[in-house]
Amino acid sequence: DVKVTQSSRYLVKRTGEKVFLECVQDMDHENMFWYRQDPGLGLRLIYFSYDVKMKEKGDIPEGYSVSREKKERFSLILESASTNQTSMYLCASSSSGGSLSGANVLTFGAGSRLTVL
Amino acid sequence: AQSVAQPEDQVNVAEGNPLTVKCTYSVSGNPYLFWYVQYPNRGLQFLLKYITGDNLVKGSYGFEAEFNKSQTSFHLKKPSALVSDSALYFCAVRDMWGTGGFKTIFGAGTRPFVKA
Repeated sequence: DVKVTQSSRYLVKRTGEKVFLECVQDMDHENMFWYRQDPGLGLRLIYFSYDVKMKEKGDIPEGYSVSREKKERFSLILESASTNQTSMYLCASSSSGGSLSGANVLTFGAGSRLTVL
Repeated sequence: AQSVAQPEDQVNVAEGNPLTVKCTYSVSGNPYLFWYVQYPNRGLQFLLKYITGDNLVKGSYGFEAEFNKSQTSFHLKKPSALVSDSALYFCAVRDMWGTGGFKTIFGAGTRPFVKA
């Protein structure tokens, strides 16, 4: 019954490495999101996408990029990982549709805990 | 820009007592408000939402939330707390994007400690 799948639960990378975090959803949702979760800071939006090949910066996009070549897949890329990017990364998806039931509600993946040494 | 504030990092409550988790918001226009919960070692789950209609919204696990427009608040409540309610709760607001998409802004989270 898993609907949003993140490819890796735990990753350990070295400073300067390129890191790919993959997210796939099977609900045909238009909207996909990448957040990072840090204690005391809640969830902060990195990037989001409302359509294939469309991407918008969130609140903390620096040091990250994204790719959405297919509707079901939204990838987060750390071009050159740094220690301050050690965090839990959460992918989510949602339909649009105004006030309809289920619209605007985010379904989250299990998360990817990244440690950068 | 839309924002939400959760003024308490944690709240302490005895099992069986009422539980309240506070949230205030700042939005332009009509707010779309949400509560999500994160249990230990589990993903974030949707609890309930307010979009329009009755100010008292009922959700999962016996939780409800009251929308108060004059106080710009959307507090989460449970009449009788359980030890298993000890989790991390996030208040959130939808922020529309110009081209028809949207993004969701989250508060910092509040963790109730429910003692048996």
